[in-house]
Amino acid sequence: AQKITQTQPGMFVQEKEAVTLDCTYDTSDQSYGLFWYKQPSSGEMIFLIYQGSYDEQNATEGRYSLNFQKARKSANLVISASQLGDSAMYFCAMREGSGGSNYKLTFGKGTLLTVNP
Amino acid sequence: DSGVTQTPKHLITATGQRVTLRCSPRSGDLSVYWYQQSLDQGLQFLIQYYNGEERAKGNILERFSAQQFPDLHSELNLSSLELGDSALYFCASSVGGGTYTQYFGPGTRLTVL
Repeated sequence: AQKITQTQPGMFVQEKEAVTLDCTYDTSDQSYGLFWYKQPSSGEMIFLIYQGSYDEQNATEGRYSLNFQKARKSANLVISASQLGDSAMYFCAMREGSGGSNYKLTFGKGTLLTVNP
Repeated sequence: DSGVTQTPKHLITATGQRVTLRCSPRSGDLSVYWYQQSLDQGLQFLIQYYNGEERAKGNILERFSAQQFPDLHSELNLSSLELGDSALYFCASSVGGGTYTQYFGPGTRLTVL
């Protein structure tokens, strides 16, 4: 079973509108972390936002917010007031466990967001 | 700019050859991770080092090896290259090996002809 599922291969949004990118995850760990990264066409991976499993408040970073619904195991990224520069591939990732030494990230397949003028 | 540097940016080589990818983590980061991004496999974790010691292995082929040096830079060695090894290889670093955010370098795009 996939640990991170991003069901939207592609999304379109008008400039200045808000958009939600979906992410569901699967883990049996109590302690885990959820991340969103942005990959523009130039290829680099840019960290956007982090949510810990014990965090009670949804994470926010500027125009990015993470809609964390623990019971539903979802961690959707909300981008407000979209800009043309937001056009990119967006990856949801999970880090499992609080003990041991393996803190690898498991990534979803990504959502390609296109912002239209 | 994440502060993680990777060289070279692009690498074109032939099947059967060996290459070395280099990564310098952000200042103060002790942990280095290597990931491979390919069209068919997506982003996959290869290996993690923490302060010079190997901490975890993912889907890393036996033809691949890595190390982290005392100055904390890391190298990923890929040998007996095959066409299927063509991919974007990322290095990421974090302060520790635990609950810290991983910051990615710009990647090395490897093309095997």
